Amino acid sequence: QKEVEQDPGPLSVPEGAIVSLNCTYSNSAFQYFMWYRQYSRKGPELLMYTYSSGNKEDGRFTAQVDKSSKYISLFIRDSQPSDSATYLCAMSRMDSSYKLIFGSGTRLLVRP
Amino acid sequence: GAGVSQSPRYKVAKRGQDVALRCDPISGHVSLFWYQQALGQGPEFLTYFQNEAQLDKSGLPSDRFFAERPEGSVSTLKIQRTQQEDSAVYLCASASGAGSGNTIYFGEGSWLTVV
Repeated sequence: QKEVEQDPGPLSVPEGAIVSLNCTYSNSAFQYFMWYRQYSRKGPELLMYTYSSGNKEDGRFTAQVDKSSKYISLFIRDSQPSDSATYLCAMSRMDSSYKLIFGSGTRLLVRP
Repeated sequence: GAGVSQSPRYKVAKRGQDVALRCDPISGHVSLFWYQQALGQGPEFLTYFQNEAQLDKSGLPSDRFFAERPEGSVSTLKIQRTQQEDSAVYLCASASGAGSGNTIYFGEGSWLTVV
């Protein structure tokens, strides 16, 4: 079993929809949680960074961390075709914060 | 430079050939990372440098893989006697600091195909 599980999708939604992306994890030592966006043939780009539990909002993006359930989410409001990409969750431990453990990514397609 | 630069972007190697992948991190960035991303998977950690010191190489899959950053800036990932299972995208990343909370910036990757 992988430390971080993520549904590969693809997830197809109409433009303007609210998108919900999720990851579960097994290692309770994870303290830092991130969401990356990766376009085809490009490197991952950091979208959201959260320490420990709670919510964080940045524009159309909201990240949630529930450490008691070992579950993290990314919500995208008013989705746009330009949001079509693969979304990767990543997390790390406090004693090795540089070592990111990634999920396998969810492919998102936003239809015009 | 403006971002993390990697070369070559695409490399086809015959099985058994040695390859070298280069990474130019963002200027002044202390931390440098190498990750391996197989098709349809998330990146997997290979190794971490803080300046010229290789602090963690626990993710290197075998002794055929070697990374260096001799002057604390440019880094090279070398793969000896390439095998088909080495086919992947090799991502380099850098960060300005050494601790948590520092944004890690990824390059576009070097796509390696071993035939």
